[in-house]
Amino acid sequence: DGGITQSPKYLFRKEGQNVTLSCEQNLNHDAMYWYRQDPGQGLRLIYYSQIVNDFQKGDIAEGYSVSREKKESFPLTVTSAQKNPTAFYLCASTPRSGGYNEQFFGPGTRLTVL
Amino acid sequence: RKEVEQDPGPFNVPEGATVAFNCTYSNSASQSFFWYRQDCRKEPKLLMSVYSSGNEDGRFTAQLNRASQYISLLIRDSKLSDSATYLCVVNIEGYSTLTFGKGTMLLVSP
Repeated sequence: DGGITQSPKYLFRKEGQNVTLSCEQNLNHDAMYWYRQDPGQGLRLIYYSQIVNDFQKGDIAEGYSVSREKKESFPLTVTSAQKNPTAFYLCASTPRSGGYNEQFFGPGTRLTVL
Repeated sequence: RKEVEQDPGPFNVPEGATVAFNCTYSNSASQSFFWYRQDCRKEPKLLMSVYSSGNEDGRFTAQLNRASQYISLLIRDSKLSDSATYLCVVNIEGYSTLTFGKGTMLLVSP
């Protein structure tokens, strides 16, 4: 089955710890995205990557880091510098770069900081 | 500015009702338009793209008004399973990403 997978589904972390969220796609899509969603809020873009070994900051990149070493993988690290990391994190991909394409989403990871 | 504005709702309607959502966008250079559906605690999924001439998919009809910079979604004969949050999504020329509205919540009751 082709699609986007995110793991883990739920993640708990203590304050001051870094944590890495996984995102993998087997759709052969060029572009990948990370969003954060808070209760009652819209999606806010954290980082995106249009091609391997390249990525750009989104609207709320502070306290986050990413890498794009392989086309199918786009992991997100939530660092201890992120002041309010508890949220629902969504990864998405599109066949080609450029904002005019439909985005396909993974099932998300719920991160809770204890 | 690249805001996309939606009435957050919730819209409470009985089964069988017709309901319409509007969405306004601020950037006239917007090129592509979509409606996504998001179920509670799930990821968004594409409901339909919105074309300039308007388009229909079963009980769902999407309209675009470029002059007034708004998009609408009409749902006829509402079903219980239509209960979800509907996200208005816009691509603005020059941006490599999509801009999402905060969503409108729909609750369909028996």
